Amino acid sequence: KNEVEQSPQNLTAQEGEFITINCSYSVGISALHWLQQHPGGGIVSLFMLSSGKKKHGRLIATINIQEKHSSLHITASHPRDSAVYICAAMNYGGSQGNLIFGKGTKLSVKP
Amino acid sequence: SQTIHQWPATLVQPVGSPLSLECTVEGTSNPNLYWYRQAAGRGLQLLFYSVGIGQISSEVPQNLSASRPQDRQFILSSKKLLLSDSGFYLCAWSVLGPPLYFGPGTRLTVL
Repeated sequence: KNEVEQSPQNLTAQEGEFITINCSYSVGISALHWLQQHPGGGIVSLFMLSSGKKKHGRLIATINIQEKHSSLHITASHPRDSAVYICAAMNYGGSQGNLIFGKGTKLSVKP
Repeated sequence: SQTIHQWPATLVQPVGSPLSLECTVEGTSNPNLYWYRQAAGRGLQLLFYSVGIGQISSEVPQNLSASRPQDRQFILSSKKLLLSDSGFYLCAWSVLGPPLYFGPGTRLTVL
């Protein structure tokens, strides 16, 4: 079993829909990242959070430390949101930079 | 502002040939630098990280090596490529904590 699991693996939505991507982890973490990888491959960090909730524009990330679960929500989705979304956990005691990555959720938003 | 460059963007190499991928960072001093690999259908995997010139830590034993000849330059090398070295290679940097900024990546195909 992977230490960081994402669901779903693939997600197709219609423009305007509310989207949720889930991330569960089995290790103790000090922080969790949500990353966005566009078709060209470049990766952008969206959020880093260790508790509660963060919001940036139409993106919202939440984390429940007790349940070892995080969600990424996209409100009023748009075709330009189409990308692979990756969650990555930084666990206690891991070497610097040794994030544990999920395999990603491929999102496709249709106009 | 900070910028991270990687080249080449794509590379096709025969098995057994050498490899040199370069990453440079602008706009920051003494960054922590990282090399990640993303193989098809798998999550990102940390290969090497460096906290300073000449300081390299390897996370995964393999036929790859890394060097940091200058503060903002990080090089990934191999003397003889294997088929299994194919993948998408990402350089990343941070000043404190885990990597937050990723380069555009190099897609390597070994034939």
